[in-house]
Amino acid sequence: AQRVTQPEKLLSVFKGAPVELKCNYSYSGSPELFWYVQYSRQRLQLLLRHISRESIKGFTADLNKGETSFHLKKPFAQEEDSAMYYCALSPYTSGTASKLTFGTGTRLQVTL
Amino acid sequence: DTEVTQTPKHLVMGMTNKKSLKCEQHMGHRAMYWYKQKAKKPPELMFVYSYEKLSINESVPSRFSPECPNSSLLNLHLHALQPEDSALYLCASSQSGVYGYTFGSGTRLTVV
Repeated sequence: AQRVTQPEKLLSVFKGAPVELKCNYSYSGSPELFWYVQYSRQRLQLLLRHISRESIKGFTADLNKGETSFHLKKPFAQEEDSAMYYCALSPYTSGTASKLTFGTGTRLQVTL
Repeated sequence: DTEVTQTPKHLVMGMTNKKSLKCEQHMGHRAMYWYKQKAKKPPELMFVYSYEKLSINESVPSRFSPECPNSSLLNLHLHALQPEDSALYLCASSQSGVYGYTFGSGTRLTVV
């Protein structure tokens, strides 16, 4: 079975402070890991995927297989980063479809 | 076109009604999904279609009936729903599991 854990329901930081949203996963095979973001009244959007090792809106995430973690980081928080962030996992597949499982989400609140 | 379009955006239905939710994408994705999201909870997978065939049914009650008439369309037929079925129903599509999903903005369903 696959499981994603996000220990913090709410993370409140000041503008300009570093941000780290924690994500741990449990899966016996090779996982594909993602971060999704949901801004107020907007659709769920893909933010990052571990396979591409990219930086989007200043956010990065590194897959640590030893610690089974995929924490999301940003060095300097901006007000517009305030949103709900979901970590998600799907089993690796060479096929088209996959089964994406979400963590419970962390609401990031950036204050002045 | 890089979007998943869902209609209607809002739906109120009685417990004896029959209604349908629609989802459309023109990105050439061959996998499509239905998720259910209750307030302040993560999305939960309901159904997965791959190449227009149902590949995963997450033990969803039969009052929810999915249909994939062609590679661009996905429907969810609703009949005899209960008030606890009230939720945001999300459609998504994917090119492959490693790329992540593209989500629609959802249909907010209220069962009265």
